[in-house]
Amino acid sequence: KAGVTQTPRYLIKTRGQQVTLSCSPISGHRSVSWYQQTPGQGLQFLFEYFSETQRNKGNFPGRFSGRQFSNSRSEMNVSTLELGDSALYLCASSRGQGIPTSPGANVLTFGAGSRLTVL
Amino acid sequence: QKEVEQNSGPLSVPEGAIASLNCTYSDRGSQSFFWYRQYSGKSPELIMSIYSNGDKEDGRFTAQLNKASQYVSLLIRDSQPSDSATYLCAVKDTGRRALTFGSGTRLQVQP
Repeated sequence: KAGVTQTPRYLIKTRGQQVTLSCSPISGHRSVSWYQQTPGQGLQFLFEYFSETQRNKGNFPGRFSGRQFSNSRSEMNVSTLELGDSALYLCASSRGQGIPTSPGANVLTFGAGSRLTVL
Repeated sequence: QKEVEQNSGPLSVPEGAIASLNCTYSDRGSQSFFWYRQYSGKSPELIMSIYSNGDKEDGRFTAQLNKASQYVSLLIRDSQPSDSATYLCAVKDTGRRALTFGSGTRLQVQP
């Protein structure tokens, strides 16, 4: 079973540019979550998509956006990049439904991440 | 107050010892609890999930949950140098909120 695939793995941008990151979830997983990880802040939740709908959103500015397609693949976009956007962006997929306490419920499987450097 | 709190460490233990990692959470409605391990430069990987009060054992790992005290812990028996990593505690409530992670505890197992 293929895991969560993120592309690109590494990218370098300059301030003011925009970037799009892609995530292909595990087959059968309908939920995709995005997290930003930095040394100082740890894992910060960006947003979650389920069946093409944004189900949750973290406390990030509107420059951060995302979407999910009918095949559950997801993209996130960051516009007008700032130096502070340099981070590891992690995508995680899960079944996304079911009783919260049932085995396997809400288990996130992470991709390898996209490391963004903003110069 | 952070929603999920962990001591950042580093927690240093000798090889073969028991490593004890702790996590507290603020939301009493939390129902699902997870421990992830993250090696340097890698993405987090699930070690254990626990949903009910008490202990859950999987090999050398034991997760302990006490909902009354809003406390979850991870014990690693017979610690190995390969266990050296950052351990992330994650909590999910019954609502539609996303999985919330602690900042992680860095574990160092000394050979």
